[in-house]
Amino acid sequence: GAGVSQSPSNKVTEKGKDVELRCDPISGHTALYWYRQSLGQGLEFLIYFQGNSAPDKSGLPSDRFSAERTGGSVSTLTIQRTQQEDSAVYLCASSFGLAGLAGELFFGEGSRLTVL
Amino acid sequence: GENVEQHPSTLSVQEGDSAVIKCTYSDSASNYFPWYKQELGKRPQLIIDIRSNVGEKKDQRIAVTLNKTAKHFSLHITETQPEDSAVYFCAASPQGSQGNLIFGKGTKLSVKP
Repeated sequence: GAGVSQSPSNKVTEKGKDVELRCDPISGHTALYWYRQSLGQGLEFLIYFQGNSAPDKSGLPSDRFSAERTGGSVSTLTIQRTQQEDSAVYLCASSFGLAGLAGELFFGEGSRLTVL
Repeated sequence: GENVEQHPSTLSVQEGDSAVIKCTYSDSASNYFPWYKQELGKRPQLIIDIRSNVGEKKDQRIAVTLNKTAKHFSLHITETQPEDSAVYFCAASPQGSQGNLIFGKGTKLSVKP
């Protein structure tokens, strides 16, 4: 497809379970971002990948959160031992980050995570 | 790291009036300042952006101003219309971040017909 694709669109899990959220960015985009949006809240930065550089993980809220990007394309955000406060919409975005300069972000539809 | 503050959190205006949303940032080396609009149930989309070598940019009814000395930037919407109702997010990209973007907490704009 032409846009950023995220899956699953909705995920309901039990407290303590692990979840994986997937992001397929726009082809050719070198930059990939994960943000978290809680109900009525802003876009909380989680992690940023740019090309082959080491990712900026400074936004990850705890060591239960991790993300990887394989082959410079698809990214997976993993949340271990989920807690109720992890419930949110997880948004992925990609951009054509020319030489590391910020440009327009194209967001996916998000993955809505509910932890019971 | 960069911190972006956005005000107000909610804004209600009458159709036809102007709306102004303000943001401040902490990293004086930040060099890129976009604004995103998120309509209810939809994904955020870029509406306008400005780089640090420019003081003002306009696109039809929207404009953005940047004051580097004071480290703040603002979004101005003139002749507001009901379809402008949405949540607006400002963001800043720290110069050393290789393109990362840090967002403010958003402003919910309601335009009353």
